[in-house]
Amino acid sequence: GAVVSQHPSRVICKSGTSVKIECRSLDFQATTMFWYRQFPKQSLMLMATSNEGSKATYEQGVEKDKFLINHASLTLSTLTVTSAHPEDSSFYICSAPGGRGEMGEQYFGPGTRLTVT
Amino acid sequence: SQQGEEDPQALSIQEGENATMNCSYKTSINNLQWYRQNSGRGLVHLILIRSNEREKHSGRLRVTLDTSKKSSSLLITASRAADTASYFCVPHGQNFVFGPGTRLSVLP
Repeated sequence: GAVVSQHPSRVICKSGTSVKIECRSLDFQATTMFWYRQFPKQSLMLMATSNEGSKATYEQGVEKDKFLINHASLTLSTLTVTSAHPEDSSFYICSAPGGRGEMGEQYFGPGTRLTVT
Repeated sequence: SQQGEEDPQALSIQEGENATMNCSYKTSINNLQWYRQNSGRGLVHLILIRSNEREKHSGRLRVTLDTSKKSSSLLITASRAADTASYFCVPHGQNFVFGPGTRLSVLP
């Protein structure tokens, strides 16, 4: 099946710094990718929809200036957490639809665990 | 977009037993999908059932869909310890929105 990769898998950064997370579709093109955040023992929360060639669409309550999304190509979307704080520590997951037309199955990356100290 | 609501939120069974999880949703759908997430990992697509289908099988998985009741169920037969994970249903929509999931524990 289709594969989505994320890099890095784990990152520890100091408060106030920025962190970039990459999401790549390895063997298919994705004009749309989704970014999720997941806190321990909780479900995934959709943060934003990344659109190739246009601005990302953010969910209500997600600060677009803090979570910068860039969909640079048909296989790469990046999420940059700017001026990270400890409360941004979380598990970040991206996904890309792999089906045709009717929004088939989603392919998920393995996730990136961010720890802000 | 809409999310599915899984029930129960937690389920603990013995290896070899069957596990049944239910999902309810609110508006019309084109399809409904089930995903599994092992602790601290990404999600794995299990099965997609279209709105005109009532039942679908994949290995030890059996999914049913009742569009009149806006509900779906996932049955895992002959469960194994490796089936321990969280399971999510996702009703088709513009975006993928996840409910709380069902945390399944299969005890050896």
